[in-house]
Amino acid sequence: GEDVEQSLFLSVREGDSSVINCTYTDSSSTYLYWYKQEPGAGLQLLTYIFSNMDMKQDQRLTVLLNKKDKHLSLRIADTQTGDSAIYFCAESRGGGYNKLIFGAGTRLAVHP
Amino acid sequence: NAGVTQTPKFRVLKTGQSMTLLCAQDMNHEYMYWYRQDPGMGLRLIHYSVGEGTTAKGEVPDGYNVSRLKKQNFLLGLESAAPSQTSVYFCASSFDRNTGELFFGEGSRLTVL
Repeated sequence: GEDVEQSLFLSVREGDSSVINCTYTDSSSTYLYWYKQEPGAGLQLLTYIFSNMDMKQDQRLTVLLNKKDKHLSLRIADTQTGDSAIYFCAESRGGGYNKLIFGAGTRLAVHP
Repeated sequence: NAGVTQTPKFRVLKTGQSMTLLCAQDMNHEYMYWYRQDPGMGLRLIHYSVGEGTTAKGEVPDGYNVSRLKKQNFLLGLESAAPSQTSVYFCASSFDRNTGELFFGEGSRLTVL
């Protein structure tokens, strides 16, 4: 099964907030990431949080980390149609390379 | 800057045929990766390289080979394609192993009939 789990689909109305949730398994992960994939494109790093932080805010994005429950969330305020994409949660496993374990991705659909 | 460029973007193969996907990056990154993306699944690492002349297996290496003869290029080969290798393939690169920021290409969609 997936080491990193996300719901597969989220639909929100334009202007509302979106919350995308993720659970991970490795409590030793140093960093947790959110990547965004727009249609026909590769993934782009959206934001990340260091494991000793509870929250990180970056303009319309808020990342919350609950280490006890191994739960990560991404909140997008004032969601716009341009936010429609697939959002991937990823955890780093360390080692000799950038070992990222990705979730299956949450497809965010923004409707008027 | 072009970033990470993959060729070809689309390819259809018959079972048993061979092909090579080319990845090129112009950011002077040491680390390069090949992932596959399948519906309902996260990206899975096929092979990776920590520098010119080095390669290593990822999570799902069977049926694939790679080479990193030049720092800027990372090739993914399928010697005898199978329908199970129908997927979207992504190449990525990173400057180091610590930050987790991978730079991805636009993907190569491969269909094996």
